Amino acid sequence: AQTVTQSQPEMSVQEAETVTLSCTYDTSESDYYLFWYKQPPSRQMILVIRQEAYKQQNATENRFSVNFQKAAKSFSLKISDSQLGDAAMYFCAYRSEGDRDDKIIFGKGTRLHILP
Amino acid sequence: AAGVIQSPRHLIKEKRETATLKCYPIPRHDTVYWYQQGPGQDPQFLISFYEKMQSDKGSIPDRFSAQQFSDYHSELNMSSLELGDSALYFCASSLRLYEQYFGPGTRLTVT
Repeated sequence: AQTVTQSQPEMSVQEAETVTLSCTYDTSESDYYLFWYKQPPSRQMILVIRQEAYKQQNATENRFSVNFQKAAKSFSLKISDSQLGDAAMYFCAYRSEGDRDDKIIFGKGTRLHILP
Repeated sequence: AAGVIQSPRHLIKEKRETATLKCYPIPRHDTVYWYQQGPGQDPQFLISFYEKMQSDKGSIPDRFSAQQFSDYHSELNMSSLELGDSALYFCASSLRLYEQYFGPGTRLTVT
């Protein structure tokens, strides 16, 4: 079974600084998707960024980028120029590519605080 | 753009009562997923439907049942409610194997 591990329950970063959230996962599959979701106080689940395992290039979405290390099964999220609105719970997540198992498996989350 | 609609947004029930949560997927999406997020927890997969047939099942209690209707909306029925069922219930929809889009969730409180 696949697992997702986020070892940092909480992190803090000064506004305008850069922060990196860590995530490791375990799978025997070769094709899969990885995601970072943001859950603000409203509890809405917002997709921040996704990465296809077959792509070597790291995904980037504006101030958000990932460092995907497939061999190490590592998938960290870097937030540049942190803003107050980035304060939220961040979940790393995994999804198989196969058509028989496409549920999303989430890590325990990292709560990110932005210090003004 | 249309999003996933969940109703009700908040629900308060007493122990041993029954609750029905509804999910209306994004138009033309054929797959619906249900997730349960307990207080301070990560979301856990419950069940999914593709073209009105159950496609996958997670840690869903036997007291819970769900179905997807001909118009692709889905309902999650929860009976004999327990205090531990208090959680945020997310519905997500997708075109099969494509991106899952999450609804705003239904917050269920069991007293």
